[in-house]
Amino acid sequence: QIQLQESGPGLVKPSATLSLICSVSGGSISGYYWTWIRQPPGKGLEWIGYIYYSGTTNYNPSLKSRLTISVDTSKNQFSLKLSSVTPADTAVYYCARGLEMVYAFDAFDIWGQGTMVTVS
Amino acid sequence: EIVLTQSPGTLSLSPGERATLSCRASQRVSRSYLAWYQQKLGQAPRLLIYGTSSRATGIPDRFSGSGSGTDFTLTITRLEPEDFAVYYCQQYDTSTTFGGGTKVEI
Repeated sequence: QIQLQESGPGLVKPSATLSLICSVSGGSISGYYWTWIRQPPGKGLEWIGYIYYSGTTNYNPSLKSRLTISVDTSKNQFSLKLSSVTPADTAVYYCARGLEMVYAFDAFDIWGQGTMVTVS
Repeated sequence: EIVLTQSPGTLSLSPGERATLSCRASQRVSRSYLAWYQQKLGQAPRLLIYGTSSRATGIPDRFSGSGSGTDFTLTITRLEPEDFAVYYCQQYDTSTTFGGGTKVEI
């Protein structure tokens, strides 16, 4: 059964770069789109962006200028880098996978447990 | 961007009662690409419904989804104690966006 696990620093200074990794276990990263989603404390969910296993990306326009998502198929993991962070980037960051291999935008049936990142 | 508005913000019900949650889109969601999630405190969202009305694996049949166009509904026929949580809708027709959530409280 496929599982996702986020990892990275829990505290990032303002203006620095937030870096997270999502490790995929129990299955291959190949063939699917892989997504990052975040949730500020007490608020709703925000789509950050996705990467296809081949490297194709699509980012939320509101974050595009600061965002890089990359994939390492040899390690079965993908990563997120968000530069020039501010306290508004404080959130729980989730990685997720869609139901179907062929759809870039999909319902997400597999989620990581989430990792809290505080910008302060 | 398709904006999803969920109502009510909070629904106060008792176990055994029926819950009806609404999700309204700012523009038509074609191909019925609308999903519902349940989220409990400190946990990741859990997929309940996709494609407007298809239940995800392992989801009990007291959960059902319906709707089309701009108006969608999640119904929980008989609330169990474990159903008290926050529920989000998501459209994945045009990019993807989430609603602001409905809290179902005891």
